[in-house]
Amino acid sequence: DAGVIQSPRHEVTEMGQEVTLRCKPISGHNSLFWYRQTMMRGLELLIYFNNNVPIDDSGMPEDRFSAKMPNASFSTLKIQPSEPRDSAVYFCASIPPGIVDEQFFGPGTRLTVL
Amino acid sequence: QKEVEQNSGPLSVPEGAIASLNCTYSDRGSQSFFWYRQYSGKSPELIMSIYSNGDKEDGRFTAQLNKASQYVSLLIRDSQPSDSATYLCAVRAGKSTFGDGTTLTVKP
Repeated sequence: DAGVIQSPRHEVTEMGQEVTLRCKPISGHNSLFWYRQTMMRGLELLIYFNNNVPIDDSGMPEDRFSAKMPNASFSTLKIQPSEPRDSAVYFCASIPPGIVDEQFFGPGTRLTVL
Repeated sequence: QKEVEQNSGPLSVPEGAIASLNCTYSDRGSQSFFWYRQYSGKSPELIMSIYSNGDKEDGRFTAQLNKASQYVSLLIRDSQPSDSATYLCAVRAGKSTFGDGTTLTVKP
């Protein structure tokens, strides 16, 4: 079975540009999480969805960040406009219904904002 | 105070030794506790979960939980060079909060 799929794997953009990160959770999983990882701040939860509905977006840094989950198999994280301090690895993770154990992480998107 | 704190590391142990990783948390309502391993440039992967006080063993790994002290630890016995990675403690009280991680190096 395919794991969590993220695209692109690497993104280099210039300050002020719009960036869209994509995630396809594992089929059948009903909760999806977006994380950001930096050396300075570690792994931070940005937002999570349950059954496509945003449950907690308190980790979203500011209005420049937005996330959507239009259906059970796709989610996006958008940054507009991007800034150099947004440079990080962004992970998407999913878990199946009724399971409180393992979060299955995608390979991550390494974002560099110049 | 951070919600989840780990010993800062880095931690270096010789091959075959026991590696001890520690984590404290601030939310007494936390119910679920996890240890993830993250190799450099890779994503985190779950290695242990623990929900009740005491020890839980899985192969060379033992997780220990003490809710009264708000403390969770991970012991790795017979450490191998392949155990060299960053270990992340995660605590769930609704949503999961991760510690900053402890980098372990096992020297042959």
